[in-house]
Amino acid sequence: AQSVTQLDSQVPVFEEAPVELRCNYSSSVSVYLFWYVQYPNQGLQLLLKYLSGSTLVKGINGFEAEFNKSQTSFHLRKPSVHISDTAEYFCAVIYSGGYQKVTFGTGTKLQVIP
Amino acid sequence: GAGVSQTPSNKVTEKGKYVELRCDPISGHTALYWYRQSLGQGPEFLIYFQGTGAADDSGLPNDRFFAVRPEGSVSTLKIQRTERGDSAVYLCASSLTGDRTEAFFGQGTRLTVV
Repeated sequence: AQSVTQLDSQVPVFEEAPVELRCNYSSSVSVYLFWYVQYPNQGLQLLLKYLSGSTLVKGINGFEAEFNKSQTSFHLRKPSVHISDTAEYFCAVIYSGGYQKVTFGTGTKLQVIP
Repeated sequence: GAGVSQTPSNKVTEKGKYVELRCDPISGHTALYWYRQSLGQGPEFLIYFQGTGAADDSGLPNDRFFAVRPEGSVSTLKIQRTERGDSAVYLCASSLTGDRTEAFFGQGTRLTVV
């Protein structure tokens, strides 16, 4: 079955420290990968996406992610977090199938501590 | 409008009642998706429309759930004989073509069945 795993349900981190949010997906020939952020009481917002090309993808708000096909991972990183980064982050995958049926992970709550 | 609009933002209903949730996609977006997000979970796919037709309704949990998009723009998700387990945030998203371009999400409708 197609699945996306976010092992960390919560990640506390001090302000200005680096952070990595982990995402693994079940193997498939062709995947497209996304990270979404959900701020409290708001809708999902796309942070970044990998469709093809360079495996290092840069997104908004200083976030980046690296696609690692051999490890079936797409971890999200930020070198220095801000209080405003406190939110829930969802990794998502589109498996080959032609249209955008997105499979989401269970989410990771990032708590930035002042 | 500027974004995907969902109404109502909150809905409380009694067990066994019928509810309708509305989604106004971004103007010109042909693809529309419904997702359900239960507490502590990532969004789960329900149904996908391309234009007026439901291209994939494999995520609808049972025949109490039905969705329409009669004119290819606004969509309504209909739930009959609601159960307490239907309580969740129902998210709608739209995209320009549906071929793995970015999907824009609404803020969701929080449905509570009491």
